[in-house]
Amino acid sequence: DIQMTQSPASLSASLGETVTIECRASEDIYNGLAWYQQKPGKSPQLLIYNANSLHTGVPSRFSGSGSGTQYSLKINSLQSEDVASYFCQQYYDYPWTFGGGTKLELK
Amino acid sequence: EVQLVESGGGLVQPGRSLKLSCAASGFTFSNYYMAWVRQAPTKGLEWVAYISTGGGSTYYRDSVKGRFTISRDNAKSTLYLQMDSLRSEDTATYYCTTGGYYFDYWGQGVMVTVSS
Repeated sequence: DIQMTQSPASLSASLGETVTIECRASEDIYNGLAWYQQKPGKSPQLLIYNANSLHTGVPSRFSGSGSGTQYSLKINSLQSEDVASYFCQQYYDYPWTFGGGTKLELK
Repeated sequence: EVQLVESGGGLVQPGRSLKLSCAASGFTFSNYYMAWVRQAPTKGLEWVAYISTGGGSTYYRDSVKGRFTISRDNAKSTLYLQMDSLRSEDTATYYCTTGGYYFDYWGQGVMVTVSS
């Protein structure tokens, strides 16, 4: 199975700050990567697919980048509603696997 | 508006069975691959199974292969997950999702607890 390692596991940031979350795959996943946001007590919501494509309705302050085994999610100008956990997921090879998550809190 | 509403969860003893349902609306169900993803309490996400648009292709993670069966009824816009020989490690919130690769839309989830 392809292992997905996210970092950091948690982070604290201030309103208006830019935040970056990293995701490393155990092998090349050829941009088969998605990012999800999960707010407390809610189901996950798709943010990014194909490593850098923004899902419908997702604010433009979210962006994805990367290639090969290294990918990142950037949140520009952090808003209070961005407090959530974030997960990456590879869909290059079965079984689809998720990263362990990054919990984002406000400082 | 896309809506996915899961049902059928609950408390079940190890070794017993449970069948989850997911009623879909707001999109053409028969055109979408569908999947189940689960999340153990305070844990991360885990893909469980996926089914093609017509139901002819299914894939499962190894830990549920032979015990779980994903199916769909396109006439009723409903997705199912038959879970047999349940184990304590199957305890999780189960989400119905659209998509066979990444997961565009998610239901609210249904809790399954396997315990004696």
